[in-house]
Amino acid sequence: EIVLTQSPGTLSLSPGESATLSCRASQDVDSRYLAWYQHKPGQAPSLLLYSASLRAAGTPDRFSGGGSGTGFTLTISRLEPEDFALYYCQHFGSSFTFGPGTRVDVK
Amino acid sequence: QFQLQESGPGLVKPSETLALICRVSGYSISAGFYWGWVRQAPGKGLEWIGSTHRDGSTLYNPSLKSRVTISVDTSKNELSLNLALVTAADTAVYYCTSDSSVRWFFYWGQGLLVTVSS
Repeated sequence: EIVLTQSPGTLSLSPGESATLSCRASQDVDSRYLAWYQHKPGQAPSLLLYSASLRAAGTPDRFSGGGSGTGFTLTISRLEPEDFALYYCQHFGSSFTFGPGTRVDVK
Repeated sequence: QFQLQESGPGLVKPSETLALICRVSGYSISAGFYWGWVRQAPGKGLEWIGSTHRDGSTLYNPSLKSRVTISVDTSKNELSLNLALVTAADTAVYYCTSDSSVRWFFYWGQGLLVTVSS
């Protein structure tokens, strides 16, 4: 079973700054099966990126993703106030696995 | 407009079966898509429970497989979740999910908090 780890656990930044979130897999994964979600308190999670780098409908272009093999990144180029939230990576193999999440909060 | 709405008891006793329904509007389950459940325990991350397709194929989280049943009722346009022998560890917000791809979840319900307590 593939295990996903995310780092850092918490990222404290100011609006306008850039954020780089990391997701590492315990073994090589196909990037076509890697997704990222945003989750805000009291709301349902929201799919941001799929196939590691493709933006889901409604995802602003300040969100970008990349990576391959065991290492993937989510970059937010200029943090807006609504971007402060929890972010999860997710992989689908024979089952679904979520990473533990990275919290982006206001510095 | 595609919408998912979870319903069911907010309180379930230990050792009983948690039974939730997800009503789908704006789309016919019989037309396709993949349907699933994800939960989040208090203070924890997201945990996939299982997924199904109208053709009856199912995938379950190996850690929950022995206790979970997920199915679709195309006549009612509903998805159901049954989780047997619940304990306090099953206390969570339960989300109904869907996507045209089996690989991720674009559509989410608002979530339903279920507490397991006597």
